[in-house]
Amino acid sequence: DIQMTQSPASLSASLGETVTIECRASEDIYSNLAWYQQKPGNSPQLLIYDANSLADGVPSRFSGSGSGTQYSLKINSLQSEDVASYFCQQYNNYPWTFGGGTKLELK
Amino acid sequence: EVQLVESGGGLVQPKGSLKLSCAASGFDFNSYGMSWVRQAPGKGLDLVADISSKSYNYATYYADSVKDRFTISRDDSQSMVYLQMDNLKTEDTALYYCTVEVGDYFDYWGQGVMVTVSS
Repeated sequence: DIQMTQSPASLSASLGETVTIECRASEDIYSNLAWYQQKPGNSPQLLIYDANSLADGVPSRFSGSGSGTQYSLKINSLQSEDVASYFCQQYNNYPWTFGGGTKLELK
Repeated sequence: EVQLVESGGGLVQPKGSLKLSCAASGFDFNSYGMSWVRQAPGKGLDLVADISSKSYNYATYYADSVKDRFTISRDDSQSMVYLQMDNLKTEDTALYYCTVEVGDYFDYWGQGVMVTVSS
């Protein structure tokens, strides 16, 4: 199985700040990567697919990038509603696997 | 609007059984794969099982940790997906989400149903 390693595990940032979360795959996943946001007490929601395509209704302050084994999620101008856990997921090789998650809090 | 509504969770003793159900609406259920993803308390996400559409012969996948204990099925006529869980273990305690894979990722998620395995 492909291992997905996220960093950092937790992150504290101020309103308006730019935040970056990293995700590393144990082998090349050819941009077959999704990001999910899970707000406290809620189900995960799809943010980004194909490494850099925004899902419907996702604010443009979110962006994804990367290739090969290294990917990142960037949040520009952090808002209070962005407090959540973020997970990456590869869908290049079955079984689909998730990163361990990054918990984002406000400073 | 896509809706996925899970039911059937609860408290069960080790080696017991539960059957989870997921009622889907708001999309062409017959055309897409359906999955169960679980999240242990305070932990990350794990794909437990999924089932493809009829076009892919209802192919199934099971995580190694649940193989031979869990069975996923679907009823296209009712837009329902099920997860039969037998010989439950304490490590199966988790919130179980029903999801739909429009792409090869999890486009929509239900609200989740809690399964607690404890004596």
